[in-house]
Amino acid sequence: QKEVEQDPGPLSVPEGAIVSLNCTYSNSAFQYFMWYRQYSRKGPELLMYTYSSGNKEDGRFTAQVDKSSKYISLFIRDSQPSDSATYLCASPRVGDNKLIFGAGTRLAVHP
Amino acid sequence: EPEVTQTPSHQVTQMGQEVILRCVPISNHLYFYWYRQILGQKVEFLVSFYNNEISEKSEIFDDQFSVERPDGSNFTLKIRSTKLEDSAMYFCASRGAVETQYFGPGTRLLVL
Repeated sequence: QKEVEQDPGPLSVPEGAIVSLNCTYSNSAFQYFMWYRQYSRKGPELLMYTYSSGNKEDGRFTAQVDKSSKYISLFIRDSQPSDSATYLCASPRVGDNKLIFGAGTRLAVHP
Repeated sequence: EPEVTQTPSHQVTQMGQEVILRCVPISNHLYFYWYRQILGQKVEFLVSFYNNEISEKSEIFDDQFSVERPDGSNFTLKIRSTKLEDSAMYFCASRGAVETQYFGPGTRLLVL
């Protein structure tokens, strides 16, 4: 079983829609969770990180962690064409801190 | 805002040649990483570096790979004898005391 699983999409939504991006993880030892945005042929850009369960909000973005079901989500409100990118979830493995990435979900927001 | 920088942005090389990819991590960070991403695939961990030594490496990081922090600012990845399958984007990342890692823009390596 992969440690972090993510539906690769693509996901296509109209401008202004609420987008929900999701990941599941299998390792109960994961404690921190990050969301990165990656534009085509660019480096991953840190969007949000959370520790433990609950919600964290930053502008139009909300990250949610449900440790009981090992489920992490990123919500984007009022999506914009500039949000079109691949969204990567990741968690650092306890001990060595190497990031374990999901496959990434490709999002397209059309005007 | 501080950022990780990488040079070159693109590198084309012949199979068997040596390449050195360079990174300047964020200045007060202590942990450094290299990752790679083959086109269309996941970002995958190569190596982590702390306190002037490798702290963890993946099975990809074989004897052809090495890392170095030659001075107080640069962090390099050397591939001694490149293979076709080394063609990928290589990302450097760094972090401070908090778990979050910040990535550079990447070097696109093409081995012919």
